[in-house]
Amino acid sequence: EVQLLESGGGLVQPGGSLRLSCAASGFTFSSYAMSWVRQAPGKGLEWVSAISGSGGSTYYADSVKGRFTISRDNSKNTLYLQMNSLRAEDTAVYYCAKAIGIRSSGEYGIDYWGQGTLVTVSS
Amino acid sequence: DIQMTQSPSTLSASVGDRVTITCRASQSISSWLAWYQQKPGKAPKLLIYKASSLESGVPSRFSGSGSGTEFTLTISSLQPDDFATYYCQQWKTFGQGTKVEIK
Repeated sequence: EVQLLESGGGLVQPGGSLRLSCAASGFTFSSYAMSWVRQAPGKGLEWVSAISGSGGSTYYADSVKGRFTISRDNSKNTLYLQMNSLRAEDTAVYYCAKAIGIRSSGEYGIDYWGQGTLVTVSS
Repeated sequence: DIQMTQSPSTLSASVGDRVTITCRASQSISSWLAWYQQKPGKAPKLLIYKASSLESGVPSRFSGSGSGTEFTLTISSLQPDDFATYYCQQWKTFGQGTKVEIK
């Protein structure tokens, strides 16, 4: 059974940093691209970032480019999102997500989602 | 960047109704479109991938069609469990969502 378990969310001041983690199990982690998708309170889904199975290719939404860094440790089956220079508009539930299709970049969609972790940016 | 325009934003329907949601891409995306269902406080759930492929375990009343720039999600006979918000996605872009409400 595929499981994705996010952690690391919480309250942070504007300008601060936070690192999210996502522990994956139930599939061959290194074979699949992974993504982060967020959802601000009462709003729709927003794709944030993706990383290839090997970690060699990364992709970012314009809204987070230069501030967020996605990475993965395939030996630990763990995905990360380092978030720096956080802004109030980054407040959202952040979902870890597994891409459809072996060796895709995520372009086919998402077949499994974590339960989400809430990040609140406020003074 | 590709833009995805989903309509309507809200849809009021009754149990047993046939419901159709549309998603339009700003440029051709072949068949690389997925549809999700999300209920309040829950993670999204994959319904359809590659525009028309039904995810395992999803009821057959859900179907997807389209290619290029225009896509539809159809629920053939709306059930009480189907009242939720639906999103289309093409890789880095989600549609704005369609909330299906009880009429």
